[in-house]
Amino acid sequence: QLQLQESGPGLVKPSETLSLTCTVSTGSVRSTSYYWGWIRQPPEKRLEWIGNVYYTGSTYYNPSLTSRVTISVDTSKNQFSLRLNSVTAADTAIYYCARLTMGIDMKLRYFDLWGRGTLVTVSS
Amino acid sequence: DIVMTQSPDSLAVSLGERATINCKSSQSVLHSSKNKNYLAWYQQKPGQPPKLLIDWASTRESGVPDRFSGSGSGTDFTLTISSLQAEDVAVYYCQQYYSTPLTFGQGTKLEI
Repeated sequence: QLQLQESGPGLVKPSETLSLTCTVSTGSVRSTSYYWGWIRQPPEKRLEWIGNVYYTGSTYYNPSLTSRVTISVDTSKNQFSLRLNSVTAADTAIYYCARLTMGIDMKLRYFDLWGRGTLVTVSS
Repeated sequence: DIVMTQSPDSLAVSLGERATINCKSSQSVLHSSKNKNYLAWYQQKPGQPPKLLIDWASTRESGVPDRFSGSGSGTDFTLTISSLQAEDVAVYYCQQYYSTPLTFGQGTKLEI
């Protein structure tokens, strides 16, 4: 079954850039049926959708983060990535990558497969 | 943004008893022309990522035990576990996909 695995630094300094990569195995990011997304979960807070990317490179972002976030896809490596600029302590969270289903109208739906998540702490 | 509010925040239920978790959206997530509610439920066990249980408010994912059921329409939804098992201890989240940004409820912690 398709699996997703997050990777990247677990500690980022304030004002710097958080960078994570999600590797997709036993499946392809080139699928025409799915988006590939990032969700985060700050300590003791609810899940927050960050954004997602289609294999063509088109993206949707949460308006609350759009000024700081970039999500990209590398089909040759079967990976997609998250960059979040100018981080603060409020960006400390478990970051999940996930597969996002889409309708025939290409609208976003629900997350049917998740990576195990990676904790990123923002601290000097 | 559509705000999702779950109740209660935590719930303790005896083994074999029914557990009921509620989710309310700040606006309707019913697509009237398609007659579909754009709502999903997830289960998150300690140290694990969320797992999709139900989509379209009432459609169980493959492999999800039939003791889990979803109901409701418009703005009010319910996840019911008909006979609680020990392995059902988890935090449960609802999520709307009627509009972006996609938003989640704050979670309901279910304990024995």
